[in-house]
Amino acid sequence: DGGITQSPKYLFRKEGQNVTLSCEQNLNHDAMYWYRQDPGQGLRLIYYSQIVNDFQKGDIAEGYSVSREKKESFPLTVTSAQKNPTAFYLCASSGPKGSYNEQFFGPGTRLTVL
Amino acid sequence: DAKTTQPNSMESNEEEPVHLPCNHSTISGTDYIHWYRQLPSQGPEYVIHGLTSNVNNRMASLAIAEDRKSSTLILHRATLRDAAVYYCILDNYGQNFVFGPGTRLSVLP
Repeated sequence: DGGITQSPKYLFRKEGQNVTLSCEQNLNHDAMYWYRQDPGQGLRLIYYSQIVNDFQKGDIAEGYSVSREKKESFPLTVTSAQKNPTAFYLCASSGPKGSYNEQFFGPGTRLTVL
Repeated sequence: DAKTTQPNSMESNEEEPVHLPCNHSTISGTDYIHWYRQLPSQGPEYVIHGLTSNVNNRMASLAIAEDRKSSTLILHRATLRDAAVYYCILDNYGQNFVFGPGTRLSVLP
């Protein structure tokens, strides 16, 4: 089955620690995205990547970092510089810009900072 | 970024039609209108999209005003599984999606 997987589903982190969230897709999509969602709010874009080895900051990139070494993978690192990292994190992928770009979402990772 | 406005919440009875409105008065000629929905603790899922003409698929219908400044997502017979947050998004090639807070739909048995 084609789709997007995110792991882990739940993640607990102590203050001051970096943590990496995994996102993998087997849809052969060029574009991948990371969103953050706070309770009762819509999704906000953290980072996105249109192609391997290239990525761009979204609206709330401070305190986060990403890499795109493979087409299938787009891991997100939440660094200690992110002041309020407790949130629901969603990864998505889509076809290349310029084509109809329905976004497919993963199941999400819920991060809690203790 | 292209903006949409939606009611914060709506309520429907099971097996009745639901009309979810969306205003997008600043829409440009090349913006597609997308609808996604998000069930509790899950990622959003695509529902339907359109440009100018009304659209139907197995999940819903999308009615687009003639001036394209508003649209309505229609669920023909709401079920309890349709209870979710529904997002109306404008998509212009080369731009990223902007998710507002959406409309929280409650379906009463």
